[in-house]
Amino acid sequence: QVQLHQWGAGLLKPSETLSLTCAVYGGSFSGYYWSWIRQSPGKGLEWIGEINPNGSTNYNPSLRSRVSFSVDSSKNQFSLNVRSVTAADTAVYFCARGRAARNYWYFYDVDVWGQGTTVTVSS
Amino acid sequence: IVLTQSPGTLSLSPGQRATLSCRASQSVSSTSLAWHQQKPGQAPRLLMYGASTRATGIPDRFNGSGSGTDFTLTITRLEPEDFAVYYCQQSRTFGQGTKVEIK
Repeated sequence: QVQLHQWGAGLLKPSETLSLTCAVYGGSFSGYYWSWIRQSPGKGLEWIGEINPNGSTNYNPSLRSRVSFSVDSSKNQFSLNVRSVTAADTAVYFCARGRAARNYWYFYDVDVWGQGTTVTVSS
Repeated sequence: IVLTQSPGTLSLSPGQRATLSCRASQSVSSTSLAWHQQKPGQAPRLLMYGASTRATGIPDRFNGSGSGTDFTLTITRLEPEDFAVYYCQQSRTFGQGTKVEIK
């Protein structure tokens, strides 16, 4: 049974960098879309982006200028960085395993979620 | 694509039937339509994918249907553990959620 476990700093000041890491246990690391999703009261569930099975990254256009991902396949881990955070980045951040039916990028859904990390940005 | 879920809140008693709606702003493939359940303080959990296929371990009182722009999640007889928030997902977009609360 696949489990995702995530960690990272939960309290940041404006302009700092948000960094989270997610480890994958109990399943294959290849063939999936390793994703980050956040949830805030104002915007609900928001897809941040993903690392696709080819190792390429796709980002939500609204966050692309500040977001980057990295992956360490040897440890079955992937990470999220969000630069220059503001109060608007306050949210619960989830790592997630995405998959694409028939290997078609558009037929994407999430089948496994990390436990979530509450990130608060405050001066 | 915008997903609009209705109602925002559904107040029902255990044993009753719940019908949740997810409407897309344009026609979408049912292949990428999923439903998730989220309880307070927890991560979402996949319930249904491909609009009508239950995820592993999901009881058969949960049923999904629909096509085009209109999709439905039905819980035939609510159990105490079913009171939660339900989100539809179409590809990389989520609806705003429907809360099913105890009446």
